[in-house]
Amino acid sequence: EAQVTQNPRYLITVTGKKLTVTCSQNMNHEYMSWYRQDPGLGLRQIYYSMNVEVTDKGDVPEGYKVSRKEKRNFPLILESPSPNQTSLYFCASSFSRLNTGELFFGEGSRLTVL
Amino acid sequence: KQEVTQIPAALSVPEGENLVLNCSFTDSAIYNLQWFRQDPGKGLTSLLLIQSSQREQTSGRLNASLDKSSGRSTLYIAASQPGDSATYLCAVFSNAGNMLTFGGGTRLMVKP
Repeated sequence: EAQVTQNPRYLITVTGKKLTVTCSQNMNHEYMSWYRQDPGLGLRQIYYSMNVEVTDKGDVPEGYKVSRKEKRNFPLILESPSPNQTSLYFCASSFSRLNTGELFFGEGSRLTVL
Repeated sequence: KQEVTQIPAALSVPEGENLVLNCSFTDSAIYNLQWFRQDPGKGLTSLLLIQSSQREQTSGRLNASLDKSSGRSTLYIAASQPGDSATYLCAVFSNAGNMLTFGGGTRLMVKP
């Protein structure tokens, strides 16, 4: 089954404790991206990647890192999480390098930073 | 910077009604526009993708139109059903900066 898989789905952590949210897709998609969704602010893009070893900042990249060492994986790294990073995070992928195709989303990862 | 607005923010209709959701964007230089559905606690599901050269797309009871010059798209839902209750989001992929910008969504409730 074609899908985008995120882990963990739920996480409660404390300020400053490094964490990684994994994202994996099995559709051989070139384009992958991360979003956060907050009440009243909607969905905002954090980072995106047009291919292996090619990443770029979205609207709200501060406090986040990403890497794209393999085509299928695009982990989101919070080196020193802070409470303002409490949010619902989504990973998405698209076949087209320029994201001109349909975008497939993961189920989301709800992160709470205390 | 691209801005995407969806009106109304919330809508409640009786089952069987035809309805229209609106999406407007400020920069017409776009690659495409997508409509998504989001159920509570779930990810987004793509409903329709309209490329910049297209005027509309249809899937079942859904029809989406795109008027790039005026910066508008509409999602038409025919014969609404309670199962259509969800939040509907539009997203615009802009030429500049390869950025995807989402609207705030319309929360739809279809009452039996």
